[in-house]
Amino acid sequence: GQQLNQSPQSMFIQEGEDVSMNCTSSSIFNTWLWYKQEPGEGPVLLIALYKAGELTSNGRLTAQFGITRKDSFLNISASIPSDVGIYFCAGQLAHDMRFGAGTRLTVKP
Amino acid sequence: GAGVSQSPSNKVTEKGKDVELRCDPISGHTALYWYRQSLGQGLEFLIYFQGNSAPDKSGLPSDRFSAERTGGSVSTLTIQRTQQEDSAVYLCASSHSTGSGTKNIQYFGAGTRLSVL
Repeated sequence: GQQLNQSPQSMFIQEGEDVSMNCTSSSIFNTWLWYKQEPGEGPVLLIALYKAGELTSNGRLTAQFGITRKDSFLNISASIPSDVGIYFCAGQLAHDMRFGAGTRLTVKP
Repeated sequence: GAGVSQSPSNKVTEKGKDVELRCDPISGHTALYWYRQSLGQGLEFLIYFQGNSAPDKSGLPSDRFSAERTGGSVSTLTIQRTQQEDSAVYLCASSHSTGSGTKNIQYFGAGTRLSVL
């Protein structure tokens, strides 16, 4: 099935730096979600967005649902070592959820 | 249970053998999903259950793959005559329903890592 275009594929940053990643699609979605996956675990929900234009924060994380309903971004401010992992975007329409290929984040202390 | 539980966590099998993967969803969640995650890839949808029925099986890659759900709870994904390309992490998720908003948020188990030798 059609997957989302997520970028960048990987990021190597210094602790304290800000991070930005985004996702685009050729299809519209009703919900955009951002998950984080650590080794040996399933994806864990970070932020869910339900309305076009919605901007939502969860601690140091901020995400936006694009106006066109075809894109979303996630920002992480003041990164810390425990932010390491793979971040996935997901667009959802009813039961149908499509995922990006993930952004692998490495944070150097 | 408190979260989605999957078993086994790891499975090593020989090419040609059948395997069964189990998923126990969050109590009260009517919707259940199976995904496959290959190394370095995103999640690939396999099948979706609403109650015991599977309205969407479109992601099953071949007729060697099947799944069932009984009692509106536990689900089993079966792969027959496994091939090396079946090696992946198989993830299960459940949601309260498939309506809009928070009720269709999917919560994931830790997955079963399948290795076909």
